Amino acid sequence: DQQVKQNSPSLSVQEGRISILNCDYTNSMFDYFLWYKKYPAEGPTFLISISSIKDKNEDGRFTVFLNKSAKHLSLHIVPSQPGDSAVYFCAASDDKIIFGKGTRLHILP
Amino acid sequence: DTEVTQTPKHLVMGMTNKKSLKCEQHMGHRAMYWYKQKAKKPPELMFVYSYEKLSINESVPSRFSPECPNSSLLNLHLHALQPEDSALYLCASSQGHNQPQHFGDGTRLSIL
Repeated sequence: DQQVKQNSPSLSVQEGRISILNCDYTNSMFDYFLWYKKYPAEGPTFLISISSIKDKNEDGRFTVFLNKSAKHLSLHIVPSQPGDSAVYFCAASDDKIIFGKGTRLHILP
Repeated sequence: DTEVTQTPKHLVMGMTNKKSLKCEQHMGHRAMYWYKQKAKKPPELMFVYSYEKLSINESVPSRFSPECPNSSLLNLHLHALQPEDSALYLCASSQGHNQPQHFGDGTRLSIL
């Protein structure tokens, strides 16, 4: 059973537009959420995180939104750039981190 | 450049071999982790070390043996692995619980 779900395996977005990646979770004990970006042949790179006591965290072009009642979080990237093309993993933590299966983001020229 | 360094980058070994994967970080992090990642799958946690002590073992077979010689180093000793153990093995470190984990680029392991 997947505790962290990313239901879109891939997403294509025009350069300059907003990319929205979604993630759902089932475990209400999760208290910390993260987004990672992964290029081929590299390890995951930490992007942004949010504690369960907040509903929004922003860092430059990246904003994470948390809706605890819906057990849903999303990552907004605006404006999208070609270098944003990668696999994005949503992750959630109680005593350990559980990763979603990832969404491959393609930024189109 | 990653701040978590893993060696070797690639490893091919037979099922009877003994080898070790190494991980090093100099960020002063007190928690270190081993993950296994198969193709098109998310990383799956194997072991967690906290203050150089094993705190989580996710029911990993004994043919994988972790070791934390000091706060900067983490090893994974391999013995009698099976072909299904072929995967990318990722090391990570963090300052502690509910802190971002920083990953190395992994060791791609192939078992013949």
